[in-house]
Amino acid sequence: AQTVTQSQPEMSVQEAETVTLSCTYDTSESNYYLFWYKQPPSRQMILVIRQEAYKQQNATENRFSVNFQKAAKSFSLKISDSQLGDTAMYFCAFMKHPPRGSNYKLTFGKGTLLTVNP
Amino acid sequence: ETGVTQTPRHLVMGMTNKKSLKCEQHLGHNAMYWYKQSAKKPLELMFVYNFKEQTENNSVPSRFSPECPNSSHLFLHLHTLQPEDSALYLCASSQDQAGASYEQYFGPGTRLTVT
Repeated sequence: AQTVTQSQPEMSVQEAETVTLSCTYDTSESNYYLFWYKQPPSRQMILVIRQEAYKQQNATENRFSVNFQKAAKSFSLKISDSQLGDTAMYFCAFMKHPPRGSNYKLTFGKGTLLTVNP
Repeated sequence: ETGVTQTPRHLVMGMTNKKSLKCEQHLGHNAMYWYKQSAKKPLELMFVYNFKEQTENNSVPSRFSPECPNSSHLFLHLHTLQPEDSALYLCASSQDQAGASYEQYFGPGTRLTVT
């Protein structure tokens, strides 16, 4: 079974600064996907960024980027130029590549509550 | 934020009540999911439906009964719940096929309180 660990229950950052959220995972799979999801207060969870394990290049989406270290099983999220709207719970999630006909199931970490201060 | 909708958004029910949660997706996806989100715990996958067929029951107590009449609608029927069942119940959908993005789209959730 896969496990996802987010060791920082809460973090805070000043507006316009950079913050890094940590995530580690445990798996024996070689082919899998990693995700960061964002859940703003009282709003829907949305995908922030996605990484395929077979790709060595770190994924980036505007101000969001990841540091994917496959050997260390580490998948951290860096948020640059933090904005007030980035305040949210951030969840790291793992999905192993499913066999044909099986479902794409996510395993989530407990989340990190990020507060961006003005 | 209107791709996956859930009703009601808030529900308070007694332990002897019967109620249902509804989820609808407008994205043309073929898979739908129920998750339970409790404070300080990871999201727990409860049920998975693929093309209306239940493909996963993650050891969920029988007081939770899912129903998927078509690929766009998913229900969670609740009866004789316990106070520890109080949580945010999230519905999600995805397009499960080779070459898809594997992204799950979530609804806003139903905040359930069992008294």
